[in-house]
Amino acid sequence: QQQVKQSPQSLIVQKGGISIINCAYENTAFDYFPWYQQFPGKGPALLIAIRPDVSEKKEGRFTISFNKSAKQFSLHIMDSQPGDSATYFCAASSLTGGGNKLTFGTGTQLKVEL
Amino acid sequence: NAGVTQTPKFQVLKTGQSMTLQCAQDMNHNSMYWYRQDPGMGLRLIYYSASEGTTDKGEVPNGYNVSRLNKREFSLRLESAAPSQTSVYFCAFGQEMNTEAFFGQGTRLTVV
Repeated sequence: QQQVKQSPQSLIVQKGGISIINCAYENTAFDYFPWYQQFPGKGPALLIAIRPDVSEKKEGRFTISFNKSAKQFSLHIMDSQPGDSATYFCAASSLTGGGNKLTFGTGTQLKVEL
Repeated sequence: NAGVTQTPKFQVLKTGQSMTLQCAQDMNHNSMYWYRQDPGMGLRLIYYSASEGTTDKGEVPNGYNVSRLNKREFSLRLESAAPSQTSVYFCAFGQEMNTEAFFGQGTRLTVV
């Protein structure tokens, strides 16, 4: 059973466009929602993260939108660039339980075309 | 990848063979994790260690054992490899109260 559902599975966006990836979660104990970026042959790396006490967080071209009542969060990549082509994973965890055991979504393969 | 060394990078095993994947971090963080990544399934937690001397099961622990040798090292052992364990394995670490988990470059394991 997938506790964090991610869509779409793959996404093609034109350079300069907006990439949007969506995630939904079930466990209301989750209180930390990061997005990880992974390039081929590399491990995932933290891109941006949000806590449920805010509805939006922006870092450069990357924005997380968070809807606590709907149990959904999304990643927006503005002015998408070819260098953004990678696999993106949403994740969730409960920090109050100690440690940071992440539950990941299934990933979105993003391709940004010229 | 920041502060973590995973070995080996690639490995081919025959069914029934055993092996140990090694992970070492130099950031002096308490928590360490082993994940496996399979196509279409994201990353799934196998085992984790909140601190030296403690380990606990994650989502998919069957067929694996772990050892937290010291604060730096966390190893994953496959006692009798099965084709279903063909995967890419990632070690990760982080502070207990820190929100970022740092991942290694992964070990690509094929069991034939």
